[in-house]
Amino acid sequence: EIVLTQFPATLSLSPGERATLSCRASQSVGIYLAWYQQKPGQAPRLLIYDASYRATGIPARFSGGGSGTDFTLTISNLEPEDFAVYYCQQRSTWPRVTFGPGTKVDIK
Amino acid sequence: EVQLLESGGGLVQPGGSLGLSCAASGFTFSDYAMSWVRQAPGKGLEWVSAIRGRGSGSHFADSVRGRFTISRDNSNNTLYLQMSNLRADDTAVYYCAKGLLAPTVSSSWYYFDSWGQGTLVTVSS
Repeated sequence: EIVLTQFPATLSLSPGERATLSCRASQSVGIYLAWYQQKPGQAPRLLIYDASYRATGIPARFSGGGSGTDFTLTISNLEPEDFAVYYCQQRSTWPRVTFGPGTKVDIK
Repeated sequence: EVQLLESGGGLVQPGGSLGLSCAASGFTFSDYAMSWVRQAPGKGLEWVSAIRGRGSGSHFADSVRGRFTISRDNSNNTLYLQMSNLRADDTAVYYCAKGLLAPTVSSSWYYFDSWGQGTLVTVSS
């Protein structure tokens, strides 16, 4: 099973700042990685798939990059609604897709 | 607008059974693989099971294989998860999720672009 590690566990930033979240896979997943946002009491929302493609309706301030074992999600200019938990997910070992433990982005 | 509405959650004793449903609307249901993903209280996301759009092909996480079954009724746009021999560690919010189809993604099995609001399953005596 491919294990995804996310860091930092918590990122404390102010609105307007840039957020850089990392996801590392225990073995290569190619580009087959997605990012989701989850707010308290809500379902997850797909942000990025195949490492760098924005899902429909996702603002351009969200961008993804990386390949192999190291990936990043960047939020270029944090808006108040961006404070949430972010999960990465790999599909390289489909059907056994796995998620990372999440990074919480909170307000400094 | 895609809508997914889960139902059927509740309190069940260890060893018991429970069935979940997910009513879908706003898209051609049979064109997409559908999945169940769960989230234990205060924890992360865990993929549980998935089923192809047409036909009976399905897959399960090791943690539920042999205890859970997944099915769908394309004529009524509904996804199901039948859970048996439930354990305390099955306690979670269960989400149904629609698979993503996109120009660069060859199948709707892989990523999840719409989710329901979730239904809570509590396994406790």
